[in-house]
Order: sequence, then C-alpha cells, then structure tokens
Amino acid sequence: AQSVTQLDSQVPVFEEAPVELRCNYSSSVSVYLFWYVQYPNQGLQLLLKYLSGSTLVKSINGFEAEFNKSQTSFHLRKPSVHISDTAEYFCAVNPMNRDDKIIFGKGTRLHILP
Amino acid sequence: DTGVSQDPRHKITKRGQNVTFRCDPISEHNRLYWYRQTLGQGPEFLTYFQNEAQLEKSRLLSDRFSAERPKGSFSTLEIQRTEQGDSAMYLCASSLVAGAGADTQYFGPGTRLTVL
Repeated sequence: AQSVTQLDSQVPVFEEAPVELRCNYSSSVSVYLFWYVQYPNQGLQLLLKYLSGSTLVKSINGFEAEFNKSQTSFHLRKPSVHISDTAEYFCAVNPMNRDDKIIFGKGTRLHILP
Repeated sequence: DTGVSQDPRHKITKRGQNVTFRCDPISEHNRLYWYRQTLGQGPEFLTYFQNEAQLEKSRLLSDRFSAERPKGSFSTLEIQRTEQGDSAMYLCASSLVAGAGADTQYFGPGTRLTVL
C-alpha cells in the first residue's frame, strides 16, 4: 500500500520570501509523483509531475520539486512567493504497477502574508 | 478543449433526498474518476470508469451511491437518501491512458454538496 504525508497542514510565509512544502511518501513499488494546487473555490490543477529522468521538475509559475528516492521525498519549493500563490497544495503518488491509482496527501495550506 | 466540467457547482439538499451530479470529461479521455473531498483532507477515491466500464469502487462508496457512464462520455453520480455525512466536495477527473505510464488526471471544479 502507498501513503503520502504532508507534514505541515498550514505554512505562513511573507510575500517575496522563499517557501518549501514538504512531502514524504511510502510505497513498496516505484511511484510517479505529482503536486496539485487548489485555489479557493476551485478544483485541483496539476502543478508539476515527476515521471522519470531528471529528478528536478519545474512548473511554469516558478515552483519546483525534487524527487529524492533515498529519502522518499518530493518537496515543493519556490524562491519568492506572491499573494496569488495562496492556495492549498496536495502531493500525490501514482504507483507504477497501478496506473489507475492516485493517493493524495492531506494538503498544505499556503498563507501569503503581506 | 474546455477541460473537465461538473454540474451543478453547488447543491443544498435536505437529509433523505436524492441528488445527482454530472461530470463531462475532456473529450478524448477514456478514464473518468470520482473523488470525495472533505474539509482538511485530500481527495479520496470513490470509483472510476474506463470508457463505459466501471472498473473499481472504493469501500467508501456505500450502496446509496451509484455511478454511471453509459456511453463512455459523461458520467453521473447519484446519492440516494442523503445523510449529513455525505456533505463534501465531489470531484471528477479524467485522463487519457494509452498503454503503460503515469495516469495524469485532470480535475473539474467540483460539486459542493451540503446536506441539511
């Protein structure tokens, strides 16, 4: 079975400061990894994903995440946040032997302080 | 491509009533998923279809819940005899799977159900 742990339920950070949202997973098989973002009153949007190749993946709006197999982590980072990044962020895994399964973490709410 | 759409966006109902939600996936996508999301939680899998076949149902999907995807396009999720515990956001997602590889799911805006 797989599980996803997002260690922080809420992360407050000042505008233009860097942020890291932590994600650890547990799986007996190899996984694909995702970060989804949910803006207020909206559905989930795919932010970025790791399938294979380079362990550092980037989104179009400045976020990046690095897959660390030894630490079973996929932390999300941004060097400088904006008010518009206020949202809930969900880490998710898709086991390679079950392409129809996505397991989500509980989410981390990012609060941007002015 | 207009993305995944869901209707209605909000539904308020009284306990014991039946409700039905609709999901229209991205047009060429062959898989369609239903999830439930409660406050402070990530989405929890309910069921999914590949084309018109319902391939898996979660234990969260009690007998009061039924989902259909009759022509392999849109899907409906019906909840009979609603209970207050059914109050949640119901999310639909779709994906295109054509062989091995990751299933990248695209989500709709959700239907928020409130049972009074």
